[in-house]
Amino acid sequence: QVQLQESGPGLVKPSETLSLSCAVSGYSITNNYYYWGWVRQTPGKGLEWMGSIHGSGSTFYNPSLTSRLTILRDTSRNQFSLELSSVTAADTAIYFCVRDSSNWEIDYWGQGTLVTVSS
Amino acid sequence: DVVMTQSPLSLPVTLGQPASISCRSSQSLVHRDGNTYLNWFQQRPGQSPRRLIYKVSNRDSGVPDRFSGSGSGTDFTLTINRVEAEDVGVYYCMQGTHGPGTFGQGTKVEIK
Repeated sequence: QVQLQESGPGLVKPSETLSLSCAVSGYSITNNYYYWGWVRQTPGKGLEWMGSIHGSGSTFYNPSLTSRLTILRDTSRNQFSLELSSVTAADTAIYFCVRDSSNWEIDYWGQGTLVTVSS
Repeated sequence: DVVMTQSPLSLPVTLGQPASISCRSSQSLVHRDGNTYLNWFQQRPGQSPRRLIYKVSNRDSGVPDRFSGSGSGTDFTLTINRVEAEDVGVYYCMQGTHGPGTFGQGTKVEIK
């Protein structure tokens, strides 16, 4: 059974970098069939795919976030992470880590973590 | 980006009655590989989204057969044959044919 679990601070100050991790169990993130990514949810914009990292290590970002977003992985711990720089209140959201195959066929979601951007 | 438009945004339903949600895309979702990458997700209150349907009409494992997906091109429908109390939540369509993947705004299903 694949399980994903987000972790990270629930409060980030404006202009700082938001950092979250996703621990994966039940499947290796280095398997070349899947992508491991991040989706966020806000009341205003709904669900937004942010980006993902393939089992090969290649990364793919939503063009709307590419200048601020970095997705990394730690294969020894079977986890991947998100770094979003220069955050504003608009980045306040529930952040989900997800697994998907090509073409955004998202089949597993973490429970989500609320991040608030505020001073 | 492809815009996904769902209707209605709110759907009060009677237990045991059918319900349908429409999802329209701003361009055809037929991929060059011949597949149509249209998913449906259910998000129950306080939970993460859960995929119900992929590639228009394929039900995920464990999804009750009262859920069905249909459509083609730019017009898609999620149908719940006989609504049960556990079906309350928000339903989203999502396309994966044209990058980046994009979601509809969601349809809230509630019991009358």
